[in-house]
Amino acid sequence: GENVEQHPSTLSVQEGDSAVIKCTYSDSASNYFPWYKQELGKRPQLIIDIRSNVGEKKDQRIAVTLNKTAKHFSLHITETQPEDSAVYFCAASKRGSQGNLIFGKGTKLSVKP
Amino acid sequence: KAGVTQTPRYLIKTRGQQVTLSCSPISGHRSVSWYQQTPGQGLQFLFEYFSETQRNKGNFPGRFSGRQFSNSRSEMNVSTLELGDSALYLCASSLPTGIEQFFGPGTRLTVL
Repeated sequence: GENVEQHPSTLSVQEGDSAVIKCTYSDSASNYFPWYKQELGKRPQLIIDIRSNVGEKKDQRIAVTLNKTAKHFSLHITETQPEDSAVYFCAASKRGSQGNLIFGKGTKLSVKP
Repeated sequence: KAGVTQTPRYLIKTRGQQVTLSCSPISGHRSVSWYQQTPGQGLQFLFEYFSETQRNKGNFPGRFSGRQFSNSRSEMNVSTLELGDSALYLCASSLPTGIEQFFGPGTRLTVL
């Protein structure tokens, strides 16, 4: 079955710096890759996603890149702010099992003012 | 539009008991997926329901079961509770034609 590895497990940056979180997946049939942000005590919130027919997607300070050949995808956050502090999860799913998201273990991002 | 809701939000049970958790999806969403979140294992897929049918199932024992009603509301049941079942149980819903999943606030289950 699908396995998603996520690195690093913790990341500390200064406000204004960029943050990059990387994930690899094992199943080449996976075609949908969302990223979720979960603040302490709150629900995971979808912040950006990418499908396998696209190499990069950007939404304001957040971008995701996908390398299908290498089976890895990354989340890039620029100009980080203290409110970006949270746990970020990457996930993968494939056609026919789209309700079955396989998650990485999460990255705890701390943005220091 | 109201988000995904889950009841109850908190639950304390003892070993051997059973529990039923409820999830109401966003209006118009017909797919509901359930996940277990623990510090050690992270977010793990339990099962997915679509139009009252289980469409996918994760690697959990048969003590974990679910169902979906005609109004798309879903319930999951855990029988013969074990200490290791203590977790945050999240449900997520999505549109019939969409793949984006939107999560509810979760039910925090503590098994003593």
